[in-house]
Amino acid sequence: GAGVSQSPSNKVTEKGKDVELRCDPISGHTALYWYRQSLGQGLEFLIYFQGNSAPDKSGLPSDRFSAERTGGSVSTLTIQRTQQEDSAVYLCASSLRAPNEKLFFGSGTQLSVL
Amino acid sequence: GESVGLHLPTLSVQEGDNSIINCAYSNSASDYFIWYKQESGKGPQFIIDIRSNMDKRQGQRVTVLLNKTVKHLSLQIAATQPGDSAVYFCAVPAYNQGGKLIFGQGTELSVKP
Repeated sequence: GAGVSQSPSNKVTEKGKDVELRCDPISGHTALYWYRQSLGQGLEFLIYFQGNSAPDKSGLPSDRFSAERTGGSVSTLTIQRTQQEDSAVYLCASSLRAPNEKLFFGSGTQLSVL
Repeated sequence: GESVGLHLPTLSVQEGDNSIINCAYSNSASDYFIWYKQESGKGPQFIIDIRSNMDKRQGQRVTVLLNKTVKHLSLQIAATQPGDSAVYFCAVPAYNQGGKLIFGQGTELSVKP
C-alpha cells in the first residue's frame, strides 16, 4: 500500500481482556517497529523486526506483551490481560531496512482499557 | 542510558516568523539524527535527517544544524505557517541496539495568525 496501515484505529476493551493490534507496513520495507505513546508523551520503543525475526524486544513492558511478524510483512502486537495503564496510542512504523533508516509511521491504534 | 532531550515543551510563534526547536543528546557516538513532525491524530512524519559528517542540512523551509561538540541539534523552520503547528520530535538511534530509535519528549509548536 501507499503507507503504513494500522487496524483498528480505535479499540476500547475491558480490563483483563486480550487485544490484538495489526500493522501492515509499506511494501518492500524489511524493518518494522512498534512504539507506544501515552497522552502528551514521547514515543516509547517496544520492539522491532528485521524480516520475521525480532533482534530487539527490550522495550516490551511485561510478558503480557508479545508481537509477531509473518511473511516479512504484517505484524500483530498482542496484549494479554489488559490493564488500565496499557491505555495509549500504539504506533507502528516501517523502514527499508534497519538500522539508521528513516521510519514511516502509521496513524496508530488508540487503545482504551476501561 | 542514552537520552534525548528538548529544551522547551512548547513554543509559540507568529505566522511568518522563523521557529527554532532545540534538542540535546547524550551519546557522543551518535552519528545519525532525525526530526519528525506529529500532527494531531496522526503518526510522526519524517521531516529531515542529518549524519554526523555534516553540520548543516537544508530542506524545503527547514534547516537542521548539528553541533557535535556540545551534542546539540536544532530544527529551524523559515516563515512559519499555521500548517506547521504540530509536535516536533528529534530522534537518535540507540547506540549498538540495532533499529531502536530514542525519541525526545517533543516540542509543541503553535503558530499564531
